[in-house]
Amino acid sequence: AQTVTQSQPEMSVQEAETVTLSCTYDTSESDYYLFWYKQPPSRQMILVIRQEAYKQQNATENRFSVNFQKAAKSFSLKISDSQLGDAAMYFCAYRSPHGQNFVFGPGTRLSVLP
Amino acid sequence: SQTIHQWPATLVQPVGSPLSLECTVEGTSNPNLYWYRQAAGRGLQLLFYSVGIGQISSEVPQNLSASRPQDRQFILSSKKLLLSDSGFYLCAWSSGQVPTQPQHFGDGTRLSIL
Repeated sequence: AQTVTQSQPEMSVQEAETVTLSCTYDTSESDYYLFWYKQPPSRQMILVIRQEAYKQQNATENRFSVNFQKAAKSFSLKISDSQLGDAAMYFCAYRSPHGQNFVFGPGTRLSVLP
Repeated sequence: SQTIHQWPATLVQPVGSPLSLECTVEGTSNPNLYWYRQAAGRGLQLLFYSVGIGQISSEVPQNLSASRPQDRQFILSSKKLLLSDSGFYLCAWSSGQVPTQPQHFGDGTRLSIL
C-alpha cells in the first residue's frame, strides 16, 4: 500500500519570504498523481497544486510551485512571497490511477510571521 | 460547474443519540464519494468511500455507517453516538473516470458529543 510522509509537523516563514514544505511517498507504481491541499483555520480543504507523475515539468500555480523528484519519490511545495493568508495546514496527497482512494500525509502546519 | 454541499455545519449531540450527516454533489454524475474524520490539528482519516449507488467500502471498524441511496447523495449515520465520535467530518467527491482529477471537499461538519 502507498504511504505519504510529511516530516515537518510545523514550519514558520517570514512574510514575503520563501518556504518549502517536504513530502515523500512510497509506491511501486510508475504512474500516479500527486496533490497539495491547504486547510486554513476555516477548515475548508482547498486544492493548491497537482502533478502528474509522467510529466517531468514541475507544476506551478502563481506563487506555488513543486519540486517533483520521481526517482527520490519526493514532492515538495515551494511558496514564494509568503503572505499572511498562506498560514494553514498543508496536506500532501497521492492517488493511484488504478484505485479510488487518495492517501494523505499527516500535514504540516505553516505559520506566517508578519 | 460541480458543487458539493454538506450539512449541518455544526452539530452538538448527547452520547447515545443517533446521527445523520448528509452530503450531496451537483453538476456531475457517478462520482466517487468519501467520508473523512479529522481530529483537531491532525490529518484525515478515511471512514467510508463509495463508487456507486449502494456500494460502500468501510476503512475503519466503528459504530458509524454510510449509505448512498442516490447517485449524488452520501449519508453518514450512527445509531448511538460515543464520546470518541467527536470531530470534524468532511465529505468529498472525485471523478471515477478521470484519475488526474483531485478530490473536492465540502465545508465540513463540526460534531461535538456531550
